[in-house]
Amino acid sequence: AQKVTQAQTEISVVEKEDVTLDCVYETRDTTYYLFWYKQPPSGELVFLIRRNSFDEQNEISGRYSWNFQKSTSSFNFTITASQVVDSAVYFCALSENTNAGKSTFGDGTTLTVKP
Amino acid sequence: NAGVTQTPKFRVLKTGQSMTLLCAQDMNHEYMYWYRQDPGMGLRLIHYSVGEGTTAKGEVPDGYNVSRLKKQNFLLGLESAAPSQTSVYFCASSYNTNLATEQFFGPGTRLTVL
Repeated sequence: AQKVTQAQTEISVVEKEDVTLDCVYETRDTTYYLFWYKQPPSGELVFLIRRNSFDEQNEISGRYSWNFQKSTSSFNFTITASQVVDSAVYFCALSENTNAGKSTFGDGTTLTVKP
Repeated sequence: NAGVTQTPKFRVLKTGQSMTLLCAQDMNHEYMYWYRQDPGMGLRLIHYSVGEGTTAKGEVPDGYNVSRLKKQNFLLGLESAAPSQTSVYFCASSYNTNLATEQFFGPGTRLTVL
């Protein structure tokens, strides 16, 4: 089984719609970190957020919010009132001790926001 | 700061040719990584380095070699390119491999092997 699963390969929404990107992870470690990265059309991945395994508090940053639930091993990302500039590939990643701190990436979700 | 830079941005090779991809970072990061990105397969780690003079294999190291002679540079070599190595290659760096440390990525190199 994949350690990080992003089941949604592609999502297409119309501007101003809300959209949630799913991320499900698998680990036996009790201490781990989860990340989201954005890859815009220019190609370069950009770090968005990290969350550690002991902090299940949701986080909001502007139009972005993240919901971390250990009970379902999920770390979902919601964009509220999407904009065309949100169009990108989004990657979820897991960093765990058993992998010497290296990150394991999901396959990514391609989000297209149409005007 | 330029961050992480990669050269070249694009390259076309014929099967059997060799080439070296250069990654440079100016953030004084200890750790550097080479990934390949293929459609539907996310990012897969090829090799990484935990410091100057050290290298280690990642998930898909076959057909590639790396060197980290200087802290700021991490080179990825293809000795005999194969069509299966057609991909987009990304270099990344991080301050350390503390679990909480995010990675900083370069713009990528698009390689086509004919």
